[in-house]
Amino acid sequence: SQTIHQWPATLVQPVGSPLSLECTVEGTSNPNLYWYRQAAGRGLQLLFYSVGIGQISSEVPQNLSASRPQDRQFILSSKKLLLSDSGFYLCAWSGGLLYNEQFFGPGTRLTVL
Amino acid sequence: SQQGEEDPQALSIQEGENATMNCSYKTSINNLQWYRQNSGRGLVHLILIRSNEREKHSGRLRVTLDTSKKSSSLLITASRAADTASYFCATTGSEKLVFGKGTKLTVNP
Repeated sequence: SQTIHQWPATLVQPVGSPLSLECTVEGTSNPNLYWYRQAAGRGLQLLFYSVGIGQISSEVPQNLSASRPQDRQFILSSKKLLLSDSGFYLCAWSGGLLYNEQFFGPGTRLTVL
Repeated sequence: SQQGEEDPQALSIQEGENATMNCSYKTSINNLQWYRQNSGRGLVHLILIRSNEREKHSGRLRVTLDTSKKSSSLLITASRAADTASYFCATTGSEKLVFGKGTKLTVNP
């Protein structure tokens, strides 16, 4: 069966520090991968998605970036965090077409102080 | 934007009652999906209904889709305290899913 992992689960970082969040998927090949951000009590904002290794599509211009160095690994990064980067970050995967059902990881709670 | 919008934003009911949540969207869709999110957790896919379907069931869940009104409803029958969560609809045209802001459901024991 397929599983999706995210780490760390929680993170507290100072403003201006770098960020690296990792997401890995097991039990499937060539998944579509997604990064979402969810502000407190709000819906999901799609940040990046990837349909293959090295292929990244950005949905929202910001100081975040994403990379997919391996088929089942998706990384969200920032060189300098802003206060507004605080939130709940979710990684998800889907098979086949981009509008198929998605499977979410447990999330990373990021607090920027 | 084709973003779905759930209604109501919050719903509080007693255990055993039925809960109905609605989703409205603006453009034509390929399918519509419902997800559940327990507090502080990732989303869990509940059900997918295609644009050519009108109703779908899964256990205590019943989803309807009215493409002429661009709306969908999620009915949870005989609710339980464990159903307490936020529920999101997600719509899609030809590309990516777009999530609404969710309905927060509280089921009181």
